[in-house]
Amino acid sequence: SAVISQKPSRDICQRGTSLTIQCQVDSQVTMMFWYRQQPGQSLTLIATANQGSEATYESGFVIDKFPISRPNLTFSTLTVSNMSPEDSSIYLCSVAQTSNTEAFFGQGTRLTVV
Amino acid sequence: GDSVTQMEGPVTLSEEAFLTINCTYTATGYPSLFWYVQYPGEGLQLLLKATKADDKGSNKGFEATYRKETTSFHLEKGSVQVSDSAVYFCALYNNNDMRFGAGTRLTVKP
Repeated sequence: SAVISQKPSRDICQRGTSLTIQCQVDSQVTMMFWYRQQPGQSLTLIATANQGSEATYESGFVIDKFPISRPNLTFSTLTVSNMSPEDSSIYLCSVAQTSNTEAFFGQGTRLTVV
Repeated sequence: GDSVTQMEGPVTLSEEAFLTINCTYTATGYPSLFWYVQYPGEGLQLLLKATKADDKGSNKGFEATYRKETTSFHLEKGSVQVSDSAVYFCALYNNNDMRFGAGTRLTVKP
């Protein structure tokens, strides 16, 4: 298993500002994923972040709005840029070791944009 | 692409009732299948998994069997408790890509 520390756990931000969310894992992992979960909804994959390569974004998500870093095998960040109230959501970091193995999740970051 | 279709609910049951939450999937190749649970205010926790056809995952009284012929992975529990109240997500993982169902909110009343 993997233990994931995600920071901050929650934040209230002004529109137009940016927030960087950190995801720290207690072991080296191959795959890291960032999801968004809007209230009462399922998880939507934002991007897959693999160490040493550019993040792969899902349809509807772009690097300028959600830049991602993956400097090593235990850490990643997601930035929500130029925020608007529509970005209010829970953002979840997830990790997996290899293809088709289970994914582990952080506790999430609850973001409110005012 | 791969996808998961899940009974959306909400589902409300009395304590000790039988639970079934349906999940079907569409995928190429041989995905692994999972059920995750999300308790109020918390992140997702793995409930059970199955990595190949006919595997049965089980945990905390919950069970699900990987049925390739019907592309299904239905979640069952024989006797639910109030503490089982949560949102349940069916998911598949295939070729470094994980997909989730819409989630089913379960409320168990005493």
